[in-house]
Amino acid sequence: QVHLVESGGGVVQPGGSLRLSCAASGFTFSNFGMHWVRQAPGKGLEWVGLIRHDGTNKYYGSSVKGRFTISRDNSMNTLYLQMDSLGAEDTAVYYCARARGDSTDYWGQGTLVTVSS
Amino acid sequence: DIQMTQSPSTLSASVGDRVTITCRASQSIFWLAWYQQKPGKAPNLLIDKASSLQSGVPSRFSGSGSGTEFTLTITSLQPDDFASYYCHQYNSMPFTFGQGTKLEMK
Repeated sequence: QVHLVESGGGVVQPGGSLRLSCAASGFTFSNFGMHWVRQAPGKGLEWVGLIRHDGTNKYYGSSVKGRFTISRDNSMNTLYLQMDSLGAEDTAVYYCARARGDSTDYWGQGTLVTVSS
Repeated sequence: DIQMTQSPSTLSASVGDRVTITCRASQSIFWLAWYQQKPGKAPNLLIDKASSLQSGVPSRFSGSGSGTEFTLTITSLQPDDFASYYCHQYNSMPFTFGQGTKLEMK
């Protein structure tokens, strides 16, 4: 069955960088676009971005555009989120989700990123 | 960016009640989804394309609307339905979510 597992979260200082990974299994990864969505503690969902199945097109939310980069390695069935210039407002649980059309179907369980000195 | 405004932010209801959550978009959209989220868990897709119920989702959930106003209706609330609900427009980039509605037990 479809399985998505995020990793790479942790504590990072303001201004720092972090790379998240999302390991996919149970489906043909190279056939599907992938989303990143985040949720600050006690807050609502925020769309971070989308990468198309072949990595040719990437789209970002307004609050992360220019600081975050989505990439993928279809040979490794892995999605990435490179996060630079991190601030306290980026503290959140980060989820990866499989795209169905441009909506989503399956989600991972998330990885927590805390930006703090 | 398209702003998605949900109302109410909090809704108190009882088992067996019928409830409606509204989502308004700042401009006309076609593609809208609804998610349910329970504490500590990932969101679960209930409805996409505004009214298409996902496989395995109980028929007491329904979605409707078009243009700038959409609704999620739950008929005959069950204990398992008390959770947070989010609308999500995937019509125009960047995609955006509503701020959420917390459905609480009265």
